[in-house]
Amino acid sequence: SQKIEQNSEALNIQEGKTATLTCNYTNYSPAYLQWYRQDPGRGPVFLLLIRENEKEKRKERLKVTFDTTLKQSLFHITASQPADSATYLCALPGLSGGSYIPTFGRGTSLIVHP
Amino acid sequence: DAGITQSPRYKITETGRQVTLMCHQTWSHSYMFWYRQDLGHGLRLIYYSAAADITDKGEVPDGYVVSRSKTENFPLTLESATRSQTSVYFCASRGTSGYQETQYFGPGTRLLVL
Repeated sequence: SQKIEQNSEALNIQEGKTATLTCNYTNYSPAYLQWYRQDPGRGPVFLLLIRENEKEKRKERLKVTFDTTLKQSLFHITASQPADSATYLCALPGLSGGSYIPTFGRGTSLIVHP
Repeated sequence: DAGITQSPRYKITETGRQVTLMCHQTWSHSYMFWYRQDLGHGLRLIYYSAAADITDKGEVPDGYVVSRSKTENFPLTLESATRSQTSVYFCASRGTSGYQETQYFGPGTRLLVL
């Protein structure tokens, strides 16, 4: 069956450092992969989408890589700030009835200490 | 206001009662989704809808009913609430952001079944 794995342990880092979060998947051949941010008590918010033919994508301090051979995506936040503290979810589109229906990983909590 | 809204935001009910959670979006997105989020399970898809009058089951549909008579509304009904349905429920719609497919989430409904 299709599986998405994200580290369930919280990632604690110091302000200014680079945070790296991992998303591994099995039994998927995704056309793309998405990353979302979720703050406590709120719904997830879309951050980035990377397609299968893209190795890397950047948006401001965010960088995402996508290795379809390793079946892995890495999500980097450079020069991290306490405001980056949140849970980060990856999502993959599974094909259902001819439509791409996203499935989410459980998310990894990032805590940036001042 | 434009966006996706959910009501109520908080609900306490008793076992066996029928509960309906409302979801409304103003973008005229075709696809809409209902998820539940629980500790240890992440976001799990309950039902989704590709258009008005077209709905399909997700990963955890048992005990839930949906309808979609209008594009903008996608209510979720718990026909006879059980304690195991205590959860945070998120509605989402699918659109594009800068040519990237993305899901837009509502603020969530926190449901407690006593």
